[in-house]
Amino acid sequence: GENVEQHPSTLSVQEGDSAVIKCTYSDSASNYFPWYKQELGKRPQLIIDIRSNVGEKKDQRIAVTLNKTAKHFSLHITETQPEDSAVYFCAATKGNMLTFGGGTRLMVKP
Amino acid sequence: NAGVTQTPKFQVLKTGQSMTLQCAQDMNHNSMYWYRQDPGMGLRLIYYSASEGTTDKGEVPNGYNVSRLNKREFSLRLESAAPSQTSVYFCASIRTSGSNYEQYFGPGTRLTVT
Repeated sequence: GENVEQHPSTLSVQEGDSAVIKCTYSDSASNYFPWYKQELGKRPQLIIDIRSNVGEKKDQRIAVTLNKTAKHFSLHITETQPEDSAVYFCAATKGNMLTFGGGTRLMVKP
Repeated sequence: NAGVTQTPKFQVLKTGQSMTLQCAQDMNHNSMYWYRQDPGMGLRLIYYSASEGTTDKGEVPNGYNVSRLNKREFSLRLESAAPSQTSVYFCASIRTSGSNYEQYFGPGTRLTVT
């Protein structure tokens, strides 16, 4: 089955700096890659996604890139703010199946 | 439009007890999922239902059973709870239409087995 690895597991940045979280996947048939943000005690919320026929997608301060050949995708957050502090999960989707990475705890220091 | 709802929000069980976690969605989504999330870890798929009348095992199905009662409801049953099943359980639904996805999680059920 699919295997998704996510790095780093924790990331601490200064407010205003950029943060990058990277994921790799194993199954070349995966074709949809969502990213979720989970605040403490809350449910995961979809923040951005990318499909396999697109190399990059941007939404305000958040961008995602996908390299299908290398089977990796990344989340980029620019101008980080304290409210960006949360756990971020990547996922790879094949058909109806989502496989999640282990998560990255992002801490933005004011 | 309530989205995805789950009951109960919290539950404490003794080892060997049984219970059913309920999930419902009012968005007319085809696919529904049950995940567990252990402290500090990612989400692991227990079971999923691609459409009404079908269910399939995910990554960690042992100790669980599911029922897709109708298009709206997907329940998860623990027949004989064990301390290893202490976790937060999330239900999710996805509507797929061609290459478009809409994904939503429920608020979660925090289960403790003593």
